[in-house]
Amino acid sequence: GAGVSQSPSNKVTEKGKDVELRCDPISGHTALYWYRQRLGQGLEFLIYFQGNSAPDKSGLPSDRFSAERTGESVSTLTIQRTQQEDSAVYLCASSLGLGTGQPQHFGDGTRLSIL
Amino acid sequence: EDKVVQSPLSLVVHEGDTVTLNCSYEVTNFRSLLWYKQEKKAPTFLFMLTSSGIEKKSGRLSSILDKKELFSILNITATQTGDSAIYLCAVENQAGTALIFGKGTTLSVSS
Repeated sequence: GAGVSQSPSNKVTEKGKDVELRCDPISGHTALYWYRQRLGQGLEFLIYFQGNSAPDKSGLPSDRFSAERTGESVSTLTIQRTQQEDSAVYLCASSLGLGTGQPQHFGDGTRLSIL
Repeated sequence: EDKVVQSPLSLVVHEGDTVTLNCSYEVTNFRSLLWYKQEKKAPTFLFMLTSSGIEKKSGRLSSILDKKELFSILNITATQTGDSAIYLCAVENQAGTALIFGKGTTLSVSS
């Protein structure tokens, strides 16, 4: 596809359930990033991948959050035992690669609501 | 702690007005500063600035960076209702591994 694709676009779930969010980057983009945008707040960086490697997980808010990437393609962000404070829009971005001087391009995000 | 501060947080103008949005930053290992426009969903890329004093321009939008004073401005001339959006400023770290975002400026242009 032409842009970054995220699914689902909306997810409503009960507190305590696990959720999986998916991101399909722009073809040829080796770098992939996840951000969280809470209501009224700026985007908060969570994690990046160069290829399928994520060397720094320190931006993840808690050990309930994990992320994986298959090769240089799809990534999934998983939140276990969801809490109400996890409600936010989760945005994925991709770029040609780290240090290439090329900007990150964003998907439409997944709006996650925890009841 | 790295931070990016945008001002004003919100702005209401009439069509045809010119607006200036501000972004200041305190970030170690600066690589570049980016501006994005966010309407309903995905932030869309506007500008990437790496050098001081060089204006980037796209139609009615322009932006410039001052690396000595650690700020950038985004100008929009002859505003239109379609310019209504949240404008996000972000600073990229040296390694290019993350963007640090400000809270955004919400611009409303009335007809």
